Order: sequence, then C-alpha cells, then structure tokens
Amino acid sequence: EDQVTQSPEALRLQEGESSSLNCSYTVSGLRGLFWYRQDPGKGPEFLFTLYSAGEEKEKERLKATLTKKESFLHITAPKPEDSATYLCAVLGGAGNMLTFGGGTRLMVKP
Amino acid sequence: GAVVSQHPSRVICKSGTSVKIECRSLDFQATTMFWYRQFPKQSLMLMATSNEGSKATYEQGVEKDKFLINHASLTLSTLTVTSAHPEDSSFYICSAREGLNYGYTFGSGTRLTVV
Repeated sequence: EDQVTQSPEALRLQEGESSSLNCSYTVSGLRGLFWYRQDPGKGPEFLFTLYSAGEEKEKERLKATLTKKESFLHITAPKPEDSATYLCAVLGGAGNMLTFGGGTRLMVKP
Repeated sequence: GAVVSQHPSRVICKSGTSVKIECRSLDFQATTMFWYRQFPKQSLMLMATSNEGSKATYEQGVEKDKFLINHASLTLSTLTVTSAHPEDSSFYICSAREGLNYGYTFGSGTRLTVV
C-alpha cells in the first residue's frame, strides 16, 4: 500500500525566511510525485510533477526535488501570498489513483 | 492548460434531501474522474473513481448507495449525495487527468452543508 507522510504539519515563517517542506513516501513503482497548493475553500492547484530521483523543478520561489525516498519543496524568500496548504501525492503501481499526504500548512508573516 | 469546472461551489440542503454535484472537463476528454472528500484541516480522501460508460469504483468504507456517481460522457461526471444527513457535510472535490503525460487537475470544490 502506498504511503505518504508530510512534515511539518504546520510551518510559520517570517517573510523572506527560506525553508523546506518534506514529503516522505513508500510506493511500489513510482510513476510520479505531485505537489499541489491549496488555498482555503478551494481545490488543489497543480505545482509540479517529478518522475525520477535526482529530478528538480522550479517555479518562481518554489523548487521541488526528488530522491528515492522523499521529496522536498524548497521555498526561497517567501512572501505572505505563499501562505497556503501544500499537498504532496504519489502515483504508483498499476493504478491511476493518487495517494495524498496530510499536507503542510504554511503561514508567512509580513 | 486543462480546466476542470465544478458546480455548485456551495450548497445548503435540508436533511433527507438529495444533492447533485457536477464536474466537467472543459477543454479535454476524461475517461476517468475522481471524487474526493476533505474534512477541515485534513487532506483529501479518495471516495471513488468514476469511469465513463461504466460503474464507478468505490473506496472501502464509502457507501455506493449514498454517494451515486454517474459518468455519462467524456466531459461530465456527477456525484449525488442521497438522503443527506448533517454528517455528510463536507468539502467535495473532483479531479481529472488529460492524459498519461499530464498532471491531475482539480475542480474548485463544493462546500456541502446539511441542516
């Protein structure tokens, strides 16, 4: 059974204070690791897909990396508008269903 | 990019009535759509996989007679919460994937409140 664990559950940062969110996973045959951003009362918004260890992707202040056991979402010099819940999900095996982690609630104070 | 439209965004219904939620892929065809439920400050819980032209596949513990799913076309899936009760109040989200080389796109969600 695929498992995804995100840490920390909540993270408070000052504006400009860089940090990283962790996503540890156990999956048989990783076919993709996905990062999403979710604002309160909204559906998840797609950020990145990573497919193999060593892969990295960037978008503005966000950078996602992948190893064989975990993924990191690095946030560089965050701004208050980066405050949201960040979700990690994996696609593995022969199925087509995502398995989600519990999410990390990020709060960036001005 | 791919867009998934979900309606309504909010609905309040009386206990015992049924509510239908629609999920449409606007610019692509989706043979498979997914329905999730999310409780406050919790992650997404997959309820069922909706397959165009065939029966939905429900996750363990999800009552198929309470949560009716119909995937009548390649762009539309509906979730009907039948005989709703206050404990069915939640945030329901649908998702679809344009193809194997694309990410999963989510709808904006439906906040259901049963009074």
